[in-house]
Amino acid sequence: AQRVTQPEKLLSVFKGAPVELKCNYSYSGSPELFWYVQYSRQRLQLLLRHISRESIKGFTADLNKGETSFHLKKPFAQEEDSAMYYCALSSWNNNDMRFGAGTRLTVKP
Amino acid sequence: SAVISQKPSRDICQRGTSLTIQCQVDSQVTMMFWYRQQPGQSLTLIATANQGSEATYESGFVIDKFPISRPNLTFSTLTVSNMSPEDSSIYLCSVGGAFVETQYFGPGTRLLVL
Repeated sequence: AQRVTQPEKLLSVFKGAPVELKCNYSYSGSPELFWYVQYSRQRLQLLLRHISRESIKGFTADLNKGETSFHLKKPFAQEEDSAMYYCALSSWNNNDMRFGAGTRLTVKP
Repeated sequence: SAVISQKPSRDICQRGTSLTIQCQVDSQVTMMFWYRQQPGQSLTLIATANQGSEATYESGFVIDKFPISRPNLTFSTLTVSNMSPEDSSIYLCSVGGAFVETQYFGPGTRLLVL
């Protein structure tokens, strides 16, 4: 079964500090992993996906198949990064998405 | 990307009534999805709606409770039937292509059942 685990419901860091939002998954096939972000009073939107190996707003995430992880990282957090972050998993032969419980990131000045 | 709108944006309903949520997309899409985001919880897939066929429901969700229509490639509705306070949630529709690489979400419908 597909499952996504985000162990931290809340994460608080100071501006300029590094931040890592953890995501672990379980899936027997070839997963596709995503990070979604929801800023206050805005809709859920895609932040990045592992297949494109991109960096968006300074965030990166590496898929580690050995550890079944897809942690989201940013070396220097900004106050505007404060938001709810969801890790999500899809598979090549399914068309749905499984979400983790979400981590609320607060970046303090 | 796709532009998705939902109506209503929010509603307060009485127990036992039903509410139909509309989802409109600015382009033709094969698959549309309905999610629920209960307070303090993550997004949970309710069902997948393909045009011209019955919706496919996830475990724990049934058609009698959440009937879905998909009359064309740009529109879908989700009805929350015989509502109870436990149905208070944000309901989101999203769209993906024939192969899910990304999903785009609507703004959500915030439902409160009294």
